[in-house]
Amino acid sequence: GAGVSQTPSNKVTEKGKYVELRCDPISGHTALYWYRQSLGQGPEFLIYFQGTGAADDSGLPNDRFFAVRPEGSVSTLKIQRTERGDSAVYLCASSPRGAAQRDTQYFGPGTRLTVL
Amino acid sequence: AQSVTQLDSQVPVFEEAPVELRCNYSSSVSVYLFWYVQYPNQGLQLLLKYLSGSTLVKGINGFEAEFNKSQTSFHLRKPSVHISDTAEYFCAVSRTGTASKLTFGTGTRLQVTL
Repeated sequence: GAGVSQTPSNKVTEKGKYVELRCDPISGHTALYWYRQSLGQGPEFLIYFQGTGAADDSGLPNDRFFAVRPEGSVSTLKIQRTERGDSAVYLCASSPRGAAQRDTQYFGPGTRLTVL
Repeated sequence: AQSVTQLDSQVPVFEEAPVELRCNYSSSVSVYLFWYVQYPNQGLQLLLKYLSGSTLVKGINGFEAEFNKSQTSFHLRKPSVHISDTAEYFCAVSRTGTASKLTFGTGTRLQVTL
């Protein structure tokens, strides 16, 4: 079946602009995660949704970052007033149930964000 | 909080040779352990995971890892590598129980040559 998909695959924007990154999880997966991977680093956790609600947003770096999942499937990560330091690959993952970490997280290919 | 250390940023190896990728973790609570592989222009793919039970875990593509609690390590091994194993490998941990976020290491680039 279809895996996790993310759009766009690449996004170039100018400093100060607003961007939205989209994640389509595997159908039926209730848990959804966002991570950020900077160059030469491992992915860093941003936020975790269980259904429609954000169960853990402790990884969001500041209030310029916000994510929603209004219907419990597709999620959008929103970044306001982008800064050059926001440049990274943004990864989305989903898992069947979530809270029990025995579930594998399935990752999408990521969105490469470049802020000029 | 948990942390993961992958000391080797790059590991060059000849095809058909054995390889070990090292991973050490730090945590004050019980953890689950994972190895993910990232091929160029692809998403992270789970190789194997340790949840409980036998400390030797077998995964896909002939990889295995051994959980050593006393040394807080979870090294990844393969007895004979192939060119197609060239990729970035990430070790990750999560605390047991209700928390779900993964904490990753910085990755090890495995470069297999003829």
